[in-house]
Amino acid sequence: EPEVTQTPSHQVTQMGQEVILRCVPISNHLYFYWYRQILGQKVEFLVSFYNNEISEKSEIFDDQFSVERPDGSNFTLKIRSTKLEDSAMYFCASSEWGQGPANEKLFFGSGTQLSVL
Amino acid sequence: DAKTTQPNSMESNEEEPVHLPCNHSTISGTDYIHWYRQLPSQGPEYVIHGLTSNVNNRMASLAIAEDRKSSTLILHRATLRDAAVYYCILPPQAGTALIFGKGTTLSVSS
Repeated sequence: EPEVTQTPSHQVTQMGQEVILRCVPISNHLYFYWYRQILGQKVEFLVSFYNNEISEKSEIFDDQFSVERPDGSNFTLKIRSTKLEDSAMYFCASSEWGQGPANEKLFFGSGTQLSVL
Repeated sequence: DAKTTQPNSMESNEEEPVHLPCNHSTISGTDYIHWYRQLPSQGPEYVIHGLTSNVNNRMASLAIAEDRKSSTLILHRATLRDAAVYYCILPPQAGTALIFGKGTTLSVSS
């Protein structure tokens, strides 16, 4: 079964450093998402991306965050200057039809655990 | 946006059916009802979704009340692997993201 692949599985960085989290969505999918989950808390929506632009973002997704689809397969989340509170599990997701999740399912990756020291 | 209410936790025994309830009294006529689950240390996983009629797939069944103000996710025979957090979600509209609540933590005992 096709799956969303995320790399690396664990990332340790120093506060203030830039990190890039990488995702390979399922190949025929059109909608891409980033979520995060701080330990013991809810899964939080960050951003959705469709047709090479951000379609929706949450309050968490401030100027320190950016997303990019640099080629036909990868989808990346960049955090420019990491803070301690950015430590979380980051999940990438994708969906097929490009009409949003009202009548379609999202496929999630297994996540990247980001630790900011 | 339509809100959902789920119990914080439920317990089940292995091989018994599990009924996970979700209340969504402010649901609109076009809101789909989605269920996802999150196994320990994994990303969320799609379980099932529906609009009006009851739905079945290989993982579970979704029973939707006639007035659509509540729904129940049914796991026909719980296994230890079904221990997870189960989320009932109503996407606000087409083209918007899924917003996860706290869900129901299901424990399964052997």
